[in-house]
Amino acid sequence: EAGVAQSPRYKIIEKRQSVAFWCNPISGHATLYWYQQILGQGPKLLIQFQNNGVVDDSQLPKDRFSAERLKGVDSTLKIQPAKLEDSAVYLCASRHPQGAAEAFFGQGTRLTVV
Amino acid sequence: TQLLEQSPQFLSIQEGENLTVYCNSSSVFSSLQWYRQEPGEGPVLLVTVVTGGEVKKLKRLTFQFGDARKDSSLHITAAQPGDTGLYLCAGARTSTGTASKLTFGTGTRLQVTL
Repeated sequence: EAGVAQSPRYKIIEKRQSVAFWCNPISGHATLYWYQQILGQGPKLLIQFQNNGVVDDSQLPKDRFSAERLKGVDSTLKIQPAKLEDSAVYLCASRHPQGAAEAFFGQGTRLTVV
Repeated sequence: TQLLEQSPQFLSIQEGENLTVYCNSSSVFSSLQWYRQEPGEGPVLLVTVVTGGEVKKLKRLTFQFGDARKDSSLHITAAQPGDTGLYLCAGARTSTGTASKLTFGTGTRLQVTL
């Protein structure tokens, strides 16, 4: 079974530029999460999708971050414009909607804003 | 706001020692998961506990879910260098008709030396 795929693995941009991350979840997983992880800390949920609908985006900085999952499969996360404090690893995870199901993570995209 | 606080934040021990990591919250969770994350990778599930008071063992790792389903602990016996990593607890809350939100703890970085 293929895992969660994310690209790119690394990205370096200047502040005020824009950037986009892509995630392809495990086939059949209706639930998709985007997390932001600062080095050494636990992942912070940015947005949760159920199929192509948003379940929770309460911690997404909507003035600069946006995410979509138009066909209920792949998802993209965009930052525009980026700030220095956006430097982090952005993790995508997918999961069956059943309550205690395991979340499978991609390797993440490490973003450095200079 | 991080709802799940882990302690200690960082732990450096020698091979063969025992240790306990705590995960505390004021909120009740329907289930709680423990993940381990290595550098450059996404978190990988170790265990899921669902019932208050539940104890699960995975080789040298013992996981316990608090009676009130608000806290959990991870105990490692005779730690080995291969146990080195970032340990994360994650609480799930199930809402009727929607996928459960998965909230991660602050993380405990464990380093085991020879």
